[in-house]
Amino acid sequence: DGGITQSPKYLFRKEGQNVTLSCEQNLNHDAMYWYRQDPGQGLRLIYYSQIVNDFQKGDIAEGYSVSREKKESFPLTVTSAQKNPTAFYLCASRFRLAGGEDEQFFGPGTRLTVL
Amino acid sequence: AQKVTQAQTEISVVEKEDVTLDCVYETRDTTYYLFWYKQPPSGELVFLIRRNSFDEQNEISGRYSWNFQKSTSSFNFTITASQVVDSAVYFCALRSGYSTLTFGKGTMLLVSP
Repeated sequence: DGGITQSPKYLFRKEGQNVTLSCEQNLNHDAMYWYRQDPGQGLRLIYYSQIVNDFQKGDIAEGYSVSREKKESFPLTVTSAQKNPTAFYLCASRFRLAGGEDEQFFGPGTRLTVL
Repeated sequence: AQKVTQAQTEISVVEKEDVTLDCVYETRDTTYYLFWYKQPPSGELVFLIRRNSFDEQNEISGRYSWNFQKSTSSFNFTITASQVVDSAVYFCALRSGYSTLTFGKGTMLLVSP
């Protein structure tokens, strides 16, 4: 089955600890994305990567870090510098169709709670 | 800069009613793409439709239909004869040029039996 996997579904951490969220895709997509979702806020872009070993900051990158060492994997680290880390985190990947159009697929999400 | 506005925060209907979710967008680009996604309680976003700026034809897919009007910068989504399974948060999104997706804040649809 092709798709995007995020693990775990629920994650609890103590305040001040770094935590890494996993995102894996076997769709052979070049681009991958991390979004944060808060109630009533919609989805906000944290980081994205168009190709391996390259990534760009999104709208709310402060307190987060990423790596893209493999095409299939785009892990997100929530550092202790992130002031309000409790949220729902969604990973996505994207492929380009003919004609320049493209489609973005999302993983099931990880709900992070910092205690 | 691009922006998507979903003015309806929450809509409640009774099963079999028709419901329209509004989406208004802003962009300076002439080439852009509009999307609708559904987010059921499980959390995963499900792609519903993509429309490019050069295609203003309305689209119907079963009980779903979309009305794209460039003159009013709107891309509204109508569910006909709503069902309980339609209960979800619906997001409208926009991508123009080489930018990333910009999402609206979502509309929560509650369909009661």
